[in-house]
Amino acid sequence: QVQLVQSGAEVKMPGASVKVSCKASGYTFTDYYIHWVRQAPGQGLEWMGRINTYTGGTDYAQKFQGRVTVTRDTSISTSYVELRRLRSDDTAVYYCARDLLNFQSSKSMDVWGQGTTVTVSS
Amino acid sequence: DIVMTQSPDSLAVSLGERATINCKSSQSVLYSSNNKNYLTWYQQKPGQPPKLLIYWASTRESGVPDRFSGSASGTDFTLTISSLQAEDVADYYCQQDYSAPRTFGQGTKVEIK
Repeated sequence: QVQLVQSGAEVKMPGASVKVSCKASGYTFTDYYIHWVRQAPGQGLEWMGRINTYTGGTDYAQKFQGRVTVTRDTSISTSYVELRRLRSDDTAVYYCARDLLNFQSSKSMDVWGQGTTVTVSS
Repeated sequence: DIVMTQSPDSLAVSLGERATINCKSSQSVLYSSNNKNYLTWYQQKPGQPPKLLIYWASTRESGVPDRFSGSASGTDFTLTISSLQAEDVADYYCQQDYSAPRTFGQGTKVEIK
């Protein structure tokens, strides 16, 4: 079945970096974008960025420019998000989600990973 | 960036009654080539990832009960739950898929009265 499986919870010190993975299965990886969305405790959903898994091209939210990098490894159908210079307000659940590359056919983020909790604390 | 504004922030509805959630985009999300509004509704229950309910403003995702419906009028969008069930207690988010950065509404919490 189609699924996105994310890596496990992380605890990091302020100023450190974190890298979360998202492994896809059950579909052709390079037919879809992978988006990264986060949710701070008790807060709403916040889009961070996306990667075109076919070309490797990326788009990021302005808020995270210079601090975030989304990559992919097509050989293992996996995307990664790395967030640097972590602060306490980066404590959140980080989700990946897929979305068709073909804009006209896209029905938005139809499959989501289970989420990865990242805690930033000294 | 396209700003998405949802209302209300929370909503308490009796079982079997109608729940209505509104979402307004700061600019059009209508793609002229296919005449579709790129507006999506998600449902999120505690401890779970969001679940796709409706895309293109009014197309129900496979498996979503038909008590959920979406509509559009210009830059105003509505999610309606025609007869609220206990399992519909959740947070609901709208999101525009028209352009990057993708942006979400702030969410609406639906509870039982």
